[in-house]
Amino acid sequence: QVQLQESGPGLVKPSETLSLTCNVSGGSVSSGDFYWHWIRQTPGGGLEWIGYVYYSGNSNYNPSFKSRVSISMDTSENQFSLRLAAVTAADTAVYYCATVLVANFWFFDVWGRGALVTVSS
Amino acid sequence: QSVLTQPPSVSGAPGQRVTISCTGSNSNFGADYDVHWYQQLPGTAPKLLIHANNNRPSGVPDRFSGSKSGTSASLAISGLQAEDEADYYCQSYDRRLSAYVFGTGTKVTVL
Repeated sequence: QVQLQESGPGLVKPSETLSLTCNVSGGSVSSGDFYWHWIRQTPGGGLEWIGYVYYSGNSNYNPSFKSRVSISMDTSENQFSLRLAAVTAADTAVYYCATVLVANFWFFDVWGRGALVTVSS
Repeated sequence: QSVLTQPPSVSGAPGQRVTISCTGSNSNFGADYDVHWYQQLPGTAPKLLIHANNNRPSGVPDRFSGSKSGTSASLAISGLQAEDEADYYCQSYDRRLSAYVFGTGTKVTVL
């Protein structure tokens, strides 16, 4: 089964860009079987979908993030990444990467353990 | 941006049956999008519990069941056990928002 592990800085300054990577094992990001997603959970517990990337390079984002977000993949490293620009304290959250099977599309099969990112000066 | 509403908490004694409601709207459940449920044990990531209204992934006990009707959905836990103490989230897709959406979350306490 696919396993996911997030990594990246745990502290980001306001107005800077948050960058996280999700390392994939037990599967390939080049596989057309999955969509590769990012989701976050705020300190209050609320879950928010951020977006996904597909092996073709196509991506789709939550409109609430407007033009701040970018998700890409690195097939040579078998990983995919999240970049969120112009962060504020409201972006403090645990960030999860997750998979969606193409055959299912509508729900999240596998989740990483999560990475806490704090936005503070 | 939680467009799916859940009660903040429910509780029950061991062996009892509890239900968690999830209220949506015409742009998600009412538009024929399914409901999915996740269990989040303390300090861990959410885990898929029920998909497509009432389907359990391999390994999930049949004590857990789900349903959806109109613009609402519910998760039932029968024969409540201490290990069921966790946060539970519903999830669907919203066509007005063009986004996957989650419920506000419900904490289940076993008395």
